Amino acid sequence: DPKIIQKPKYLVAVTGSEKILICEQYLGHNAMYWYRQSAKKPLEFMFSYSYQKLMDNQTASSRFQPQSSKKNHLDLQITALKPDDSATYFCASSAGGNQDTQYFGPGTRLLVL
Amino acid sequence: QQQVRQSPQSLTVWEGETAILNCSYENSAFDYFPWYQQFPGEGPALLISILSVSDKKEDGRFTIFFNKREKKLSLHIADSQPGDSATYFCAASAGGSNAKLTFGKGTKLSVKS
Repeated sequence: DPKIIQKPKYLVAVTGSEKILICEQYLGHNAMYWYRQSAKKPLEFMFSYSYQKLMDNQTASSRFQPQSSKKNHLDLQITALKPDDSATYFCASSAGGNQDTQYFGPGTRLLVL
Repeated sequence: QQQVRQSPQSLTVWEGETAILNCSYENSAFDYFPWYQQFPGEGPALLISILSVSDKKEDGRFTIFFNKREKKLSLHIADSQPGDSATYFCAASAGGSNAKLTFGKGTKLSVKS
């Protein structure tokens, strides 16, 4: 059974719209993360959460807002979508200690037209 | 500025050969270096990792060699198999809980039989 679930797997959106990317982890982890991977850039860290609190934010734009309704959920809301937002978004989780392994989900592939 | 660099961008080896993937970094504060393996359409999966206090880490056919003075490390894949064909990412973090991972651009490995 998949331990980190990301929904949807594929997403097509129009410029200016808003989408929510879903992430749930069933590893019992305390920390969750979002990363982005595009053709132009390597895997980029976006956010980290620990016990549902924001720990680190490396995203310059406020259009990206993580939402944690439960300890094992970390959704990503993206508003005013732009074509440059097209990428695969990966959710990850870890136990939350020093140098803990981060486990990645299968990703949501977003295409903004 | 790319803090983690990988070379070569792509590498082709024959089945049974040793593949050598290189990585270098800029930030002296980095102390944890995981290597991730990614297959098309999937999320990255941890392959092997090393802490900066060590100069070598082995796990089966996979070995990391680490040179702290030169800020370089390499991943050696012995007895390469066609199933090893994937993209390999070198990553680094600067310690602490929930530390973000900084990734290189990856090396695409093809193993021919």
